[in-house]
Amino acid sequence: DSGVTQTPKHLITATGQRVTLRCSPRSGDLSVYWYQQSLDQGLQFLIQYYNGEERAKGNILERFSAQQFPDLHSELNLSSLELGDSALYFCASSATAAQYSYEQYFGPGTRLTVT
Amino acid sequence: AQTVTQSQPEMSVQEAETVTLSCTYDTSESDYYLFWYKQPPSRQMILVIRQEAYKQQNATENRFSVNFQKAAKSFSLKISDSQLGDAAMYFCAYRSKGAQKLVFGQGTRLTINP
Repeated sequence: DSGVTQTPKHLITATGQRVTLRCSPRSGDLSVYWYQQSLDQGLQFLIQYYNGEERAKGNILERFSAQQFPDLHSELNLSSLELGDSALYFCASSATAAQYSYEQYFGPGTRLTVT
Repeated sequence: AQTVTQSQPEMSVQEAETVTLSCTYDTSESDYYLFWYKQPPSRQMILVIRQEAYKQQNATENRFSVNFQKAAKSFSLKISDSQLGDAAMYFCAYRSKGAQKLVFGQGTRLTINP
């Protein structure tokens, strides 16, 4: 158990819908990262938040957005869903955004299926 | 942009034997971190081992060790005394010192034959 929690574990929804994935980082971790794992794209970095502020952005679609709240939990919002958005979405956390912190702990993931 | 390549989509090994998984990466940076993550059927991503680029000594964690060749930009993982529980997808990952995101390879599926 990494200490990172993600809900829900599984999500099945229809094209065009909107969903919200939730992540709670390890106690004390200020940074949260979101990754997408799909069959065709592999594991890709989406976005990072540090203490409530967006810190880095990767291959995140405009239909996707994220935020980190004062209690440090994070939500990833996916809208206008397409079949290709079906994937495993991971949240990871680490202690700080400083260059000396390099260990990211991954949550169990949310499996999203768009039908 | 940095890229990570795992040229072996699948590998198999007999239980108790040794197997080496390959990884190469491309970067223009001199200071960075490299990782191997394990993803068993449960889908959980588990950190196996990490290596700091400035360290010449290869990292070791119990039965897991790496062969880090900085000039060749190669970072292979050796698993000794393979166990059935080692069966998983293994991902090589890169992180530059100045950034936090991990760049992953495509993964190698490791099968352990009893």
